[in-house]
Amino acid sequence: DAGVTQSPTHLIKTRGQHVTLRCSPISGHKSVSWYQQVLGQGPQFIFQYYEKEERGRGNFPDRFSARQFPNYSSELNVNALLLGDSALYLCASSARTGLGGELFFGEGSRLTVL
Amino acid sequence: DQQVKQNSPSLSVQEGRISILNCDYTNSMFDYFLWYKKYPAEGPTFLISISSIKDKNEDGRFTVFLNKSAKHLSLHIVPSQPGDSAVYFCAASASQGAQKLVFGQGTRLTINP
Repeated sequence: DAGVTQSPTHLIKTRGQHVTLRCSPISGHKSVSWYQQVLGQGPQFIFQYYEKEERGRGNFPDRFSARQFPNYSSELNVNALLLGDSALYLCASSARTGLGGELFFGEGSRLTVL
Repeated sequence: DQQVKQNSPSLSVQEGRISILNCDYTNSMFDYFLWYKKYPAEGPTFLISISSIKDKNEDGRFTVFLNKSAKHLSLHIVPSQPGDSAVYFCAASASQGAQKLVFGQGTRLTINP
């Protein structure tokens, strides 16, 4: 069974550019969450989507946006990239929106901003 | 403002002994706690969780203890095995926070043969 898949796995951008990261959840999972993990820190919550609706938003600037598609896959978009956006971006899926159901994480997309 | 703290960046334990990883939190609204394990080049993997209505949850070699008055939880691994070498993250959530998890900084556990 396929787990959470993310693409691309690695990418390099320059300051001011835009990036789109993609995530396919585990089949049957309707909830997708995005996390940012900076080197040496734990993952930090960015967004959660459930049934294509935003259910939660972390403390990130408006340069960060996301959406969920009818097939429950998701995109994370970051505009006007800054050096500080360099991080591992993790996507997690779950069968439910609330807790009690564990989150399954993908391997992440490592973004480097030069 | 670090609401979830893992004060030990690393821990080294001999194979077969007990590993104890600690985590402290400051937000009294947190009522659900989880531990994740992360290997290099992989995403975090769920290990075990505990609700604030309990003070202990056990799953095989893994036990999580919660001390609400001290706002402290710990993960015990007995016996420790070489495959347990990984980075362990403590995470917490408030029930009205949907699936917003607040993670600690992680503790790198190394099991020595």
